[in-house]
Amino acid sequence: AQSVTQLDSQVPVFEEAPVELRCNYSSSVSVYLFWYVQYPNQGLQLLLKYLSGSTLVESINGFEAEFNKSQTSFHLRKPSVHISDTAEYFCAVSDYTGFQKLVFGTGTRLLVSP
Amino acid sequence: GAVVSQHPSWVICKSGTSVKIECRSLDFQATTMFWYRQFPKQSLMLMATSNEGSKATYEQGVEKDKFLINHASLTLSTLTVTSAHPEDSSFYICSVVGQVNTEAFFGQGTRLTVV
Repeated sequence: AQSVTQLDSQVPVFEEAPVELRCNYSSSVSVYLFWYVQYPNQGLQLLLKYLSGSTLVESINGFEAEFNKSQTSFHLRKPSVHISDTAEYFCAVSDYTGFQKLVFGTGTRLLVSP
Repeated sequence: GAVVSQHPSWVICKSGTSVKIECRSLDFQATTMFWYRQFPKQSLMLMATSNEGSKATYEQGVEKDKFLINHASLTLSTLTVTSAHPEDSSFYICSVVGQVNTEAFFGQGTRLTVV
């Protein structure tokens, strides 16, 4: 069975500052890793994913995450955040049996202030 | 990506009554949908896998007689919380896996409050 830990329930940051949202996972098998974002009153949207290959994955809006197998981590980073990045971010993992059954972390609320 | 619509977005009901939540895949046919539940300050937890035309598959610890799932068509799955109690108050969210099976698309969720 897999599990995901997001240690920070809330991360306040000023606009244009860098941010890192932490995610650690545990699994006895190889996994796929995901970051989802949820804006207020909306569903979860896939931000980025690691399936294989390069351990650094990027999203179209400036976020990136790096898969670190030895540390079992998949931290999300952005060098300069915007007010519009304020949202709830969920890290998730699934095993190689499919992408359907996702195990989520508890989420991190990113609060960007001017 | 797929568009998933969930209705209602929030509902308040009295203890002992039943509540139905709908999950619709608007732009493609989904043979499989998934229902998750999230309690405050906890993870989203998979409740069940909804299969079109067959019985749902429930995760361990989820009461199938309490959480009735019907997937009668390729675009609609419903979750009915029967004889709801305050402890059933939670955020329920459905998802659909895309046709190329590489991404899950989520509805906006339903916040259920049982009073």
